[in-house]
Amino acid sequence: QLQLQESGPGLVKPSETLSLTCTVSGGSITSSSYYWGWIRQPPGKGLEWIASIFYSGSTYHNPSLESRVTMSVDTSKNQFSLKLSSVTAADTAVYYCVRFREVVPGATVDYWGQGALVTVSS
Amino acid sequence: DIQMTQSPSSVSASVGDRVTITCRASQGVSRWLAWYQQKAGKAPKVLIYAASSLQSGVPSRFSGSGSGTEFTLTISSLQPEDFATYYCQQANSFPLTFGQGTKVEIK
Repeated sequence: QLQLQESGPGLVKPSETLSLTCTVSGGSITSSSYYWGWIRQPPGKGLEWIASIFYSGSTYHNPSLESRVTMSVDTSKNQFSLKLSSVTAADTAVYYCVRFREVVPGATVDYWGQGALVTVSS
Repeated sequence: DIQMTQSPSSVSASVGDRVTITCRASQGVSRWLAWYQQKAGKAPKVLIYAASSLQSGVPSRFSGSGSGTEFTLTISSLQPEDFATYYCQQANSFPLTFGQGTKVEIK
């Protein structure tokens, strides 16, 4: 059974960089059928797609965040990562790492991590 | 960006009721729409993909329909475990976008 697990600091100061890593177990991140990504959810609010990445490194970012987002893949560790720079309180959210069964069209999430709450505060 | 609008924002229903949630896209997404269920404190899980395909393991009381700009999720007979928030997501083009959610509450 595929499992995804987020890890990283739960508290980040304003203007600093949020860094999260997702460790994939029970399957390979190099599977040619799937994309990997991040979705976030501010407390009490809806879902926002952040970015997606293929194991080869090709990425897609949400334009609303693009200049602040960096995604990377480490196939040797079966992990992928997110960096979000210049954070503000508006970036406080639960961050989910996810697997997409395809890229567009058809980018549906079929596996989710449990989510990691990241709070931006001094 | 494609805007996704769900209605209603919340619905109160009883066990056994038929519940229908609508999702409208600001431009056509063909059949590339997914529905997710999220319970409090948990990650969402996919119910329906490609507008009408039932995800493996999801009860058959859930069904989806539609294409283009208008889609529906129907729960044929609401069960206690179905009280949750439901989101639609267009999977047609980047940036991927979600509806604002519909909360299904106990009447």
